[in-house]
Amino acid sequence: DQQVKQNSPSLSVQEGRISILNCDYTNSMFDYFLWYKKYPAEGPTFLISISSIKDKNEDGRFTVFLNKSAKHLSLHIVPSQPGDSAVYFCAASPQTGANNLFFGTGTRLTVIP
Amino acid sequence: EAGVAQSPRYKIIEKRQSVAFWCNPISGHATLYWYQQILGQGPKLLIQFQNNGVVDDSQLPKDRFSAERLKGVDSTLKIQPAKLEDSAVYLCASSRNIAGGSYNEQFFGPGTRLTVL
Repeated sequence: DQQVKQNSPSLSVQEGRISILNCDYTNSMFDYFLWYKKYPAEGPTFLISISSIKDKNEDGRFTVFLNKSAKHLSLHIVPSQPGDSAVYFCAASPQTGANNLFFGTGTRLTVIP
Repeated sequence: EAGVAQSPRYKIIEKRQSVAFWCNPISGHATLYWYQQILGQGPKLLIQFQNNGVVDDSQLPKDRFSAERLKGVDSTLKIQPAKLEDSAVYLCASSRNIAGGSYNEQFFGPGTRLTVL
């Protein structure tokens, strides 16, 4: 049962344009959401997060939006750069305090120079 | 600050053999996680330790998988006997103490890629 879903396996964007990666979740107990970035042969690295009490969090070129009623979040990258090419995983953590993460299947972003 | 260390980076074994993976978390991190990432899927939590105690092992196939963190620092994940479907990347992550209710960022190691033939 996939509780966190990323329905787009891949996305290609021109350098300088906006990249929008989407994520949906089904478990209403999730209250913290994260995006991780993964390069080949490396472990995932934390990118940006958002608590369920917020609807937007911004860090430089990266912004995450959360729509709790729709159980949907998105990651915006503006402007996109070739170094952003990687696999992006959406993850969610429940309210239990155990800190464990439920991951989506990932979206491979390719930024074309 | 040194990151999460894992070894080996790659392992190829035949089915029914046994294999072990090692993880050394970031110094001072009380919580350690093992994830399994099958090709085309996101990482799935297998087991979570807080110091040397198990917090969550509900997704660990206990008939063949075992893990320990005897001194509350480094950890070993073992598979015995391995099956073809165990082919995956095994990721170790660590975070600060999870007590207090706030989320603590997990830092991941590079993973061990296991191929079972």
